[in-house]
Amino acid sequence: GQNIDQPTEMTATEGAIVQINCTYQTSGFNGLFWYQQHAGEAPTFLSYNVLDGLEEKGRFSSFLSRSKGYSYLLLKELQMKDSASYLCAVSRGGSTLGRLYFGRGTQLTVWP
Amino acid sequence: DADVTQTPRNRITKTGKRIMLECSQTKGHDRMYWYRQDPGLGLRLIYYSFDVKDINKGEISDGYSVSRQAQAKFSLSLESAIPNQTALYFCATRGTGVETQYFGPGTRLLVL
Repeated sequence: GQNIDQPTEMTATEGAIVQINCTYQTSGFNGLFWYQQHAGEAPTFLSYNVLDGLEEKGRFSSFLSRSKGYSYLLLKELQMKDSASYLCAVSRGGSTLGRLYFGRGTQLTVWP
Repeated sequence: DADVTQTPRNRITKTGKRIMLECSQTKGHDRMYWYRQDPGLGLRLIYYSFDVKDINKGEISDGYSVSRQAQAKFSLSLESAIPNQTALYFCATRGTGVETQYFGPGTRLLVL
């Protein structure tokens, strides 16, 4: 199986910056995804990293280090609506191409 | 209109009953997936299909079966429902060359 670890819970205040880490151990690595999921709703795609480095998309950025098996999602200028669960997922190549392996999610609470 | 739809959205059933959850998509994607989500356990893959003639077991396929009736339709059946199958079920799709998966709105299932 895959070993994907992320913190269970995090809290932050409105306007702040928060970094959610994800570590993984897998063979045939083919990319890492971050999804946002509000309670009772479907996960929605935030970012995808397949090469090392930082991908920036508005208030959200995602970083990947393949050699370290490490990624983080950076959320800037936090808003109340950012309170949600953030899911890290790893994609593998080969016969499992397209299949995602999910971490358990990090529940972020943003306080006013 | 939503690209990925699931029916029903909520279902209550009794132990031992056979039930079917349905997923339809208008995205033209060839790959479809069924996940279940339980609190604290993240998303776990039940079955996936890369095309109409291809069905693969995921991590937790016992007690479930699937049918890919057409490219656009992928159904999940619980042969004899049991209480520990109470969960939130998501269908997802992915197209060839498209990195991310797109999730349906989910079906909340309660087995009494």
